[in-house]
Amino acid sequence: EIVLTQSPGILSLSPGERATLSCRASQSVDNKFLGWYQQKPGQAPRLLIYGASSRATGIPDRFSGSGSGTDFTLTISRLEPEDFAMYYCQRYGNSPRITFGPGTKVDIK
Amino acid sequence: QVQLQESGPGLVKPSETLPLTCTVSGGSISSYYWSWIRQPPGKGLEWIGYIYYNGHYSETTYYNPSLESRVTISVDTSKNQFSLKVSSVTAADTAVYYCARGSGTFGHDFDYWGQGTLVTVSS
Repeated sequence: EIVLTQSPGILSLSPGERATLSCRASQSVDNKFLGWYQQKPGQAPRLLIYGASSRATGIPDRFSGSGSGTDFTLTISRLEPEDFAMYYCQRYGNSPRITFGPGTKVDIK
Repeated sequence: QVQLQESGPGLVKPSETLPLTCTVSGGSISSYYWSWIRQPPGKGLEWIGYIYYNGHYSETTYYNPSLESRVTISVDTSKNQFSLKVSSVTAADTAVYYCARGSGTFGHDFDYWGQGTLVTVSS
């Protein structure tokens, strides 16, 4: 079973700063099957990035995804107040077919 | 605009079966993967399983092995709904349950979500 690890667990930054979130897989993940989600308190998750680097519909270009193999990164170039939230990476593959990472919380410093 | 709405009991007794329904509006239930995902209070996301209906009376389901023995997902195309049943529930099944549409080749990109419904397992 492929396990996703996200770091850091908590990222404390100020608005306007750059956020770099890491997602590491225990085995190689096909880029096509790596996604990132944002979740705010009391809300459902929202798809940000699919295929490791493609922005979902309506997602601002300050969000970008990169990486391959076992190491993937979500970058928020300049944090806006509405970006302070929880972020999850997610992969598709062999059993179980879909798993999520434990999440990184981006909070206000 | 596709919208999903979960419905079902907010409280289920231990050992009983948890039933939830997701109603899809603004689009057809055919030719997409439809998943259930849950989130225990204060914790992360766990994928439960999905169903795929190809529009020609053929369905495919796949479940998370950790839950497979207790979970059933089905579809009602006449109502544009899909459903989840989790049997023999315990307190560990207390969670917000989300339904979601999966896009991509294998339904692995969840582009539309319901708002979620909290189900508490307690006597």
